[in-house]
Amino acid sequence: QVQLQESGPGLVKPSETLSLTCTVSGASISLYYWTWIRQPPGKGLEWIGYIYYTGITNYNPSLKSRVLISIDTSQNQLSLQLNSVTVADTAVYYCARAAIVRGGANYFDPWGQGTLVTVSS
Amino acid sequence: QSALTQPASVSGSPGQSITISCTGTSSDVGGYNYVSWYQQHPGKVPQVIIFDVSKRPAGVSTRFSGSKSGNTASLTISGLQADDEADYYCSSYTSSTTLLFGGGTKLTVL
Repeated sequence: QVQLQESGPGLVKPSETLSLTCTVSGASISLYYWTWIRQPPGKGLEWIGYIYYTGITNYNPSLKSRVLISIDTSQNQLSLQLNSVTVADTAVYYCARAAIVRGGANYFDPWGQGTLVTVSS
Repeated sequence: QSALTQPASVSGSPGQSITISCTGTSSDVGGYNYVSWYQQHPGKVPQVIIFDVSKRPAGVSTRFSGSKSGNTASLTISGLQADDEADYYCSSYTSSTTLLFGGGTKLTVL
């Protein structure tokens, strides 16, 4: 049974970099695609991007200039970096396993529990 | 890219059926059979209940069904139960190989 757990700072200052890690257990991270999704408090879901163990990535165009998703197969972890954050980046950040079709994301299952990141000075 | 369009809220009584719509364009919902639906209870993690328009993951109740016509996908919940009260989100693959979510629909069981 695949399980995911996000970790990282819960508070980030404006203009700084948000960094999160997702630890995968129950399966080799090299077998699947993995994704990050976020949800601002009280609002809807937003897809951030996905990665494959080979380093293939695909990002949401609205975030592409500020986002980097990486993978560490030796630790069975994926990471998210979001640069130049503002209060609008305050959200619960989820990692999930991604089903991919035609080079794009299809659906996500399972999800981690999510971690709230607040951007504030 | 704009989010897919869902009604903000729907409601129904126990035992009834309700349908939630998800409207996109020919570049996403209408162009591909890659629409998914997620259920999110308050304070909980979203869970996929429908993928590829109408397929159910193992363990998901047959009361949940999905369909699509043109640029609009639909989620139907039959035999409404109190536990169905949650937020529901649709998502779709797009021609840009990205993914769009809908804005979400709050289901209230009366």
